[in-house]
Amino acid sequence: EAGVTQSPTHLIKTRGQQVTLRCSPISGHTSVYWYQQALGLGLQFLLWYDEGEERNRGNFPPRFSGRQFPNYSSELNVNALELEDSALYLCASGGRGADTQYFGPGTRLTVL
Amino acid sequence: GNSVTQMEGPVTLSEEAFLTINCTYTATGYPSLFWYVQYPGEGLQLLLKATKADDKGSNKGFEATYRKETTSFHLEKGSVQVSDSAVYFCALMIYNQGGKLIFGQGTELSVKP
Repeated sequence: EAGVTQSPTHLIKTRGQQVTLRCSPISGHTSVYWYQQALGLGLQFLLWYDEGEERNRGNFPPRFSGRQFPNYSSELNVNALELEDSALYLCASGGRGADTQYFGPGTRLTVL
Repeated sequence: GNSVTQMEGPVTLSEEAFLTINCTYTATGYPSLFWYVQYPGEGLQLLLKATKADDKGSNKGFEATYRKETTSFHLEKGSVQVSDSAVYFCALMIYNQGGKLIFGQGTELSVKP
């Protein structure tokens, strides 16, 4: 069974640009979660999508947004990139009503 | 609020040594508890979990017991290997409170041959 996949693996952007990260959940999972792992800040919850709807949002500015598609894959968009957005962005998926989240390998974003 | 506190690292052990990584939590509801492991350059892998008091999670020789009375979920392994070198994260999730995992700061483990 394929795990959670994310693309791209690495990304380099400059301040002010916009970026889109992609995530495909484990087959049969309806929930997708996004986390940011920035140096020195640990793992921070960003967003939760389930059945195409945004269910919860962490303490991040509105320039962090996303969506979930009918096939349950998801995109995370970050506008007006700032240097402190440099981080590993992790996507996880989970089954309906389940408490366990399974993570992908992450996308490493560097903002110059 | 809800939070997780882990022992600070890095922890350096010799191969075959006994491992304990302490984890305590504060929760307003009834959390499920998790240990995740992150190998260098990779994402998180679920190591084990426990969903109610006195449950013991186990996997690959690692164990942790959900202790409600001490609000703890310490990770143990009887004999570590070099391949266990990684960062270990303790986390909690409270069902119906927004789906998010709340992580500790992570504990880096280095096992020397």
